[in-house]
Amino acid sequence: GPKVLQIPSHQIIDMGQMVTLNCDPVSNHLYFYWYKQILGQQMEFLVNFYNGKVMEKSKLFKDQFSVERPDGSYFTLKIQPTALEDSAVYFCASSVTGGSNERLFFGHGTKLSVL
Amino acid sequence: QQKVQQSPESLSVPEGGMASFNCTSSDRNFQYFWWYRQHSGEGPKALMSIFSDGDKKEGRFTAHLNKASLHVSLHIRDSQPSDSALYFCAASTNSAGNKLTFGIGTRVLVRP
Repeated sequence: GPKVLQIPSHQIIDMGQMVTLNCDPVSNHLYFYWYKQILGQQMEFLVNFYNGKVMEKSKLFKDQFSVERPDGSYFTLKIQPTALEDSAVYFCASSVTGGSNERLFFGHGTKLSVL
Repeated sequence: QQKVQQSPESLSVPEGGMASFNCTSSDRNFQYFWWYRQHSGEGPKALMSIFSDGDKKEGRFTAHLNKASLHVSLHIRDSQPSDSALYFCAASTNSAGNKLTFGIGTRVLVRP
């Protein structure tokens, strides 16, 4: 079936550094998402992105976070600077049109460890 | 209070048995409900959706929705070891962008 690829699978960085998480969405999908999952807690919505713009973001999407998808390249989540509480698994997802009755396709996640 | 609550946290069923677990929402704006399954080391994968009152069956999986009580359940018939996973209930409203609110999950172990 359709696959969302996330690179890298694990990233370890020092607090205060910048990190970029990369996502290759399903090729014909138009809506992209980032979710955050802290160990033992539920997955939480961070942001969705369509047509080059952030459509909606949650309160977890701090000012230090940014997303973009330059033409033909990855959909990225950048955190600058990182904080200890940013340690989590970040899941990228995509869907065809963003309709509420539509399933999301998730990647395997990037585990971010901030030391 | 979490907007989507799941129970139980975990359950163990014998191979061939029935696994049943529940999801309750506290937000009446939710109109669309999904069950996602996550195997260890992977991302969640959509199992099935349910938007209307009553039962919806897909193979060995049956979902039930009661919109009045905002209660959703999932039943797995003839459970297989490959069904061992974390099952998430997720809900969304009718607004564009499909922002899903997830529960914390029910961990299912199918014993061979």
